[in-house]
Amino acid sequence: DTGVSQDPRHKITKRGQNVTFRCDPISEHNRLYWYRQTLGQGPEFLTYFQNEAQLEKSRLLSDRFSAERPKGSFSTLEIQRTEQGDSAMYLCASSFIGGAYEQYFGPGTRLTVT
Amino acid sequence: QKEVEQNSGPLSVPEGAIASLNCTYSDRGSQSFFWYRQYSGKSPELIMFIYSNGDKEDGRFTAQLNKASQYVSLLIRDSQPSDSATYLCAVKVEGGGKLIFGQGTELSVKP
Repeated sequence: DTGVSQDPRHKITKRGQNVTFRCDPISEHNRLYWYRQTLGQGPEFLTYFQNEAQLEKSRLLSDRFSAERPKGSFSTLEIQRTEQGDSAMYLCASSFIGGAYEQYFGPGTRLTVT
Repeated sequence: QKEVEQNSGPLSVPEGAIASLNCTYSDRGSQSFFWYRQYSGKSPELIMFIYSNGDKEDGRFTAQLNKASQYVSLLIRDSQPSDSATYLCAVKVEGGGKLIFGQGTELSVKP
């Protein structure tokens, strides 16, 4: 399968714990994006990378959230000191540079904070 | 005013009918427009994108863009029960990378 992959698919954690999610983009895609989606809403942008450079980060993103893409391939998203409000689906997408920059999503990681 | 607005629905159409989904956006610098389909519990799946005024057709789907009116729509011809899903409109602004999504329109196609 050459699509975007994410791991884990589901994560249940207790409030205050740290969690880390991984995303592997489509292999020839330069850009990688993170979004968060809650029930009944469209995905909300968190941050994106072009190769290893983090080009934009949402102003809504708490400093408890950090993302990396150290070698310009896979990316990790870490949430420190999780809160119940962090419960959501975390989506990763990737795209080429150029054209319409159409983004293709992975299956998502469903986070539940208890 | 939200940046990308969609009627949340649900929109119900009979099988075989045309489903019309609408989206308006506020940023005149918006450059590219995307329609995603999302089944319950799944991630968004790209259906179509459009960046020039007019119509773009792909199979049973037609995307329509009117930049002067800041309006983009998706028509689904010969709707099937398998088309029942939430349809998300997304907009990319010029010079940016992120997509701004509407809240989605739930479509139900009745057999």
